[in-house]
Amino acid sequence: DGGITQSPKYLFRKEGQNVTLSCEQNLNHDAMYWYRQDPGQGLRLIYYSQIVNDFQKGDIAEGYSVSREKKESFPLTVTSAQKNPTAFYLCASQPGQGMNTGELFFGEGSRLTVL
Amino acid sequence: GQSLEQPSEVTAVEGAIVQINCTYQTSGFYGLSWYQQHDGGAPTFLSYNALDGLEETGRFSSFLSRSDSYGYLLLQELQMKDSASYFCAVRAGNYGQNFVFGPGTRLSVLP
Repeated sequence: DGGITQSPKYLFRKEGQNVTLSCEQNLNHDAMYWYRQDPGQGLRLIYYSQIVNDFQKGDIAEGYSVSREKKESFPLTVTSAQKNPTAFYLCASQPGQGMNTGELFFGEGSRLTVL
Repeated sequence: GQSLEQPSEVTAVEGAIVQINCTYQTSGFYGLSWYQQHDGGAPTFLSYNALDGLEETGRFSSFLSRSDSYGYLLLQELQMKDSASYFCAVRAGNYGQNFVFGPGTRLSVLP
């Protein structure tokens, strides 16, 4: 079945360590997104990519990095520069520009805890 | 900048009807979406309005007024399983590439 797979589902990290969250989709979607969600809050956009080898910063990109070397993959690295990285991270995809749809397809999320 | 407002909490009883409002300020507006999220889960898509008017999907309906920068989600015949957080999200930006989410409304359905 088509969908978005995020891994790991739970991750614990020590302060000062970088960690990479995986996001893979087999929906043949052009656009991919990373959101952060804190408890009781909405989703805030970290980075998005409309096409392979191109990505744009969202509202809270500081302390994060991404790559888009393949259409199917959009990994997110949480660096040691991110001051408060404990959060629920959601990856999403969308068919892309020109498609009149407001539906984002979400993965199950990765919950990162910094010890 | 872009901002969305929703009520933080709504409570209703089983079988009732509830309306969750969303107002927005954004540039390059393409449409308004609604998502449901149960605790610990990922958001799931409910509806999308690109044009003014009412869209109906089963027990859920969504309305948009572009001139008022306003929309709402209407949930009918409430069930206990409808207890969740509901987010409105605008599709915005120069090419509709941005999806900006509201703060969410927590719906509690009581027996």
